[in-house]
Amino acid sequence: GENVEQHPSTLSVQEGDSAVIKCTYSDSASNYFPWYKQELGKRPQLIIDIRSNVGEKKDQRIAVTLNKTAKHFSLHITETQPEDSAVYFCAARPPYSTLTFGKGTMLLVSP
Amino acid sequence: EAGVAQSPRYKIIEKRQSVAFWCNPISGHATLYWYQQILGQGPKLLIQFQNNGVVDDSQLPKDRFSAERLKGVDSTLKIQPAKLEDSAVYLCASSTPATGAYEQYFGPGTRLTVT
Repeated sequence: GENVEQHPSTLSVQEGDSAVIKCTYSDSASNYFPWYKQELGKRPQLIIDIRSNVGEKKDQRIAVTLNKTAKHFSLHITETQPEDSAVYFCAARPPYSTLTFGKGTMLLVSP
Repeated sequence: EAGVAQSPRYKIIEKRQSVAFWCNPISGHATLYWYQQILGQGPKLLIQFQNNGVVDDSQLPKDRFSAERLKGVDSTLKIQPAKLEDSAVYLCASSTPATGAYEQYFGPGTRLTVT
């Protein structure tokens, strides 16, 4: 089955800096890559997703890039704010299959 | 629109006891998922339903876990008997292919502590 590796496990940045979280996947057939944000004690919420037919997608301060050849995708957050502090999960899904999540990255944004 | 509902929010039981969790998905969502999220890890799929049929239960420990979605709407997940390693947050999610979207909407979860 699909295997997703996520790095780093923790990331500390100063407010206003950029943050990058990277994930690799094993199944070359995977075609859907969402990113979820989970604040402490709350439910995971989708913040951005990308499908395999595009290489990059942006939504205000967040962007995701996908390299199908290398089987990795990344989340980029610019101009970080304290409210961006949370655990971020990447996931990958092959066609007609289920999501496999990474282990998560705890992002801490210091004022 | 109302979100995914789950109950209870918290449960503490002793090992070898049984426990049941309930989930009500977003209205009209045909697909329902149960995930187990152990502290410090990402959600792990336990079972996926499409209406009232099971699509994937390959990671469900069937000797102790069971789930049903009899009328294709709400669902229950049961653990009997519970083990210490079952301590986790159990998340329910739902989705619909109606709009071509893949997004899964998660409920608030049930935090289970087995002592």
